[in-house]
Amino acid sequence: DAGVIQSPRHEVTEMGQEVTLRCKPISGHNSLFWYRQTMMRGLELLIYFNNNVPIDDSGMPEDRFSAKMPNASFSTLKIQPSEPRDSAVYFCASSLDEATYEQYFGPGTRLTVT
Amino acid sequence: GEDVEQSLFLSVREGDSSVINCTYTDSSSTYLYWYKQEPGAGLQLLTYIFSNMDMKQDQRLTVLLNKKDKHLSLRIADTQTGDSAIYFCAEGRGYQKVTFGTGTKLQVIP
Repeated sequence: DAGVIQSPRHEVTEMGQEVTLRCKPISGHNSLFWYRQTMMRGLELLIYFNNNVPIDDSGMPEDRFSAKMPNASFSTLKIQPSEPRDSAVYFCASSLDEATYEQYFGPGTRLTVT
Repeated sequence: GEDVEQSLFLSVREGDSSVINCTYTDSSSTYLYWYKQEPGAGLQLLTYIFSNMDMKQDQRLTVLLNKKDKHLSLRIADTQTGDSAIYFCAEGRGYQKVTFGTGTKLQVIP
């Protein structure tokens, strides 16, 4: 298995632009998570899905952030408009089901907003 | 709410043991985890312990849990340069919302 796939690996954009981050979970996994990692705040859970349904989005910073999971093999995290304070590494992780203890992380997308 | 705290940095000499400590606040935690993050990569689960256990050993890794004090530790025996990474403590309650600590950066000096 290829593991969790994220794209792009690096994104540099100007303030005000729309950014879309993509994630393909491990096949068969039905829980998917989006995290943000910064030096100041560490690793923060933004949102997680179970069976393509958003279960908890309380970590989404504000309305500029939105996430979708149209099917079991694809999810997007969108920031519109982007701001410099959104610069971070964004990780996607997947897990087999709600009872499973292990989350499998993707390599992350490093976002820089100038 | 849940809170997980770790020291930010630990430096050890190659061959020595490393002990990384963590405290958490949620007494209803079911699982406690240690994840490892190497530079430029995502987190990878190293080991985990159920909250009804006191200790778990897995090769060079030993996890100790003091549930009364809400204290978790990870001991790495015979630390190698390849162990240099950031180590995250995390807690969860059996469903998937896991709270991660701030991470401890382990530096192994040759």
